Amino acid sequence: QLQLQESGPGLVKPSETLSLTCNVSGVSIINRSYYWGWIRQPPGKGLEWIGNIFYSGTTYYNPSLRSRVSVSVETSRMQFSLKLRSVSATDTAIYYCVRHWGGGHIDYWGPGTLVTVSS
Amino acid sequence: DIQLTQSPPSLSASVGDRITISCRTTRGIGNYLAWYQQKPGKVPRLLIYDAATLQSGVPSRFSGSGSGTDFTLTISSLQPEDVATYHCQKYNSVLLAFGGGTRVEIK
Repeated sequence: QLQLQESGPGLVKPSETLSLTCNVSGVSIINRSYYWGWIRQPPGKGLEWIGNIFYSGTTYYNPSLRSRVSVSVETSRMQFSLKLRSVSATDTAIYYCVRHWGGGHIDYWGPGTLVTVSS
Repeated sequence: DIQLTQSPPSLSASVGDRITISCRTTRGIGNYLAWYQQKPGKVPRLLIYDAATLQSGVPSRFSGSGSGTDFTLTISSLQPEDVATYHCQKYNSVLLAFGGGTRVEIK
């Protein structure tokens, strides 16, 4: 059974870089059927797609975040990671790592981790 | 970029009612649409993908329809455990996006 688990600091200062890692267990991260990605949800608001990555390293990003975001994968460690640069209070959100079937719909979600941007 | 608009933003209905939630896109996306249920304080759960395919384990009172720019999620008989926010998501291209969500409550 696939499990996803986010890890990283829960508090980040404005203008700094938010860094999160997602550990994948139960299935191989190397699979042509899936993409791995990040979704966020500000408190009380809707879902926002951040970006996703194929095991080969191919990435796709939300145009509104593209200038600040990068997603990477370490297949040997069964992990993929998110970096969001120059954060501000508007980046405060629950961050979920997810699996996209065929790069499309999301069939597995991590439990999510709240990241607060504050000095 | 294609935008997704859900309506209504919220609704209140009685147990046993049939309810429908709309998701409209600014350009056609074929049938590349999914619906998720998010109960308060919980992680979203996939209900329907490819506009009308029910995810394994999802009760049959949930159904999806539509193609192109107009999509609908229907709950045929609302149950107390269906109190949640429902989100649509498009995936017709590598650029993914969500609708704003519809909150469903029980009268």
